[in-house]
Amino acid sequence: QQQVKQSPQSLIVQKGGISIINCAYENTAFDYFPWYQQFPGKGPALLIAIRPDVSEKKEGRFTISFNKSAKQFSLHIMDSQPGDSATYFCAASRDFGNEKLTFGTGTRLTIIP
Amino acid sequence: ETGVTQSPTHLIKTRGQQVTLRCSSQSGHNTVSWYQQALGQGPQFIFQYYREEENGRGNFPPRFSGLQFPNYSSELNVNALELDDSALYLCASSSKRDSGNTIYFGEGSWLTVV
Repeated sequence: QQQVKQSPQSLIVQKGGISIINCAYENTAFDYFPWYQQFPGKGPALLIAIRPDVSEKKEGRFTISFNKSAKQFSLHIMDSQPGDSATYFCAASRDFGNEKLTFGTGTRLTIIP
Repeated sequence: ETGVTQSPTHLIKTRGQQVTLRCSSQSGHNTVSWYQQALGQGPQFIFQYYREEENGRGNFPPRFSGLQFPNYSSELNVNALELDDSALYLCASSSKRDSGNTIYFGEGSWLTVV
């Protein structure tokens, strides 16, 4: 019940296109959903996060869409750039302020010219 | 730059040995969590320390242990190293005083067990 399922495993998008990564969770007690970006050899960096009281959150080119009834959330990267090429992890945690994150398995995103 | 620093960045150990990894949390953050990230996988929660006490533990055996010091820095100790312990070990700091659950990760310590 602690699983977070992430898809696709890898994604290739043309420069300027929209990258979409999806996650689904099982535990309805999860109430914090961050996305992390990780470059090779680096630690994960917080990109954007959402709580279930809103259905969408946008920060620059990055948008999280959240569907509480379906227990799904997704990351959209608009106008994808080569510098966005990285591995993206969705995560979830139970109890606001509880930092025990459960991560998805990651999506390797490659942006091609 | 997250303000979370980890040391060492890389190390190689022999099976059966012990290792200590260190983490300095971001200034003002009183909570430190440790995660293990195997190659090609997402990070897995090991345990969390809050005000020098263990505050939750993931599915890791007792040979994984930790400490948090009064300045909120932390250590992860792994005894009787096994080949499967080879991974990136990540420290994450946060503050329960924050209104948001913002968690900052360090760059990690790469452990190779041979």
